[in-house]
Amino acid sequence: DVKVTQSSRYLVKRTGEKVFLECVQDMDHENMFWYRQDPGLGLRLIYFSYDVKMKEKGDIPEGYSVSREKKERFSLILESASTNQTSMYLCASSLDAGELFFGEGSRLTVL
Amino acid sequence: GESVGLHLPTLSVQEGDNSIINCAYSNSASDYFIWYKQESGKGPQFIIDIRSNMDKRQGQRVTVLLNKTVKHLSLQIAATQPGDSAVYFCAETSENAGGTSYGKLTFGQGTILTVHP
Repeated sequence: DVKVTQSSRYLVKRTGEKVFLECVQDMDHENMFWYRQDPGLGLRLIYFSYDVKMKEKGDIPEGYSVSREKKERFSLILESASTNQTSMYLCASSLDAGELFFGEGSRLTVL
Repeated sequence: GESVGLHLPTLSVQEGDNSIINCAYSNSASDYFIWYKQESGKGPQFIIDIRSNMDKRQGQRVTVLLNKTVKHLSLQIAATQPGDSAVYFCAETSENAGGTSYGKLTFGQGTILTVHP
């Protein structure tokens, strides 16, 4: 089975801190994604990557950056965390267009 | 931009009943649709998908119906069980999303399904 692992389930950070969210998948998938999930807003795409060192902006990239140095790893970076970035962050991977395999999520609270 | 939306945010049913969860989409270029189930504290899990060249697809206890004329998608769950209680999301994409098919999905807001024993 595909496994997408997010390094932290719960994080609490302070405004202005730099935050790293790590995601690793074990199925050699080309595509990886970062979504944030907020009540009433569903899942919104932040960034995605279709190859190593390649990245594309999603619908809400402001305040975020990503890194994909290895195929299996996709990191989301908040350079200076703000309270409006308090959210659930979901990483996903896919082999091709269509079915995404999600991690368990990282719940970030920014104080 | 165009979005995918749900008619009902919550649905409450009795165990054994059939459940129907609806979804409206507005992007007429969408050609691939997926339903996801998200249990509390977990990431979304794939349930069933359908392409635009079909109007019905069946899985185990689940059926997805697609009406392209009115841009409507529904998920039917037969003999609903307490374990089906979760948030259900529809998602859509098109072959032209981002210029190529990278699986860039647009999600609806979700419907909370509660099954009472």
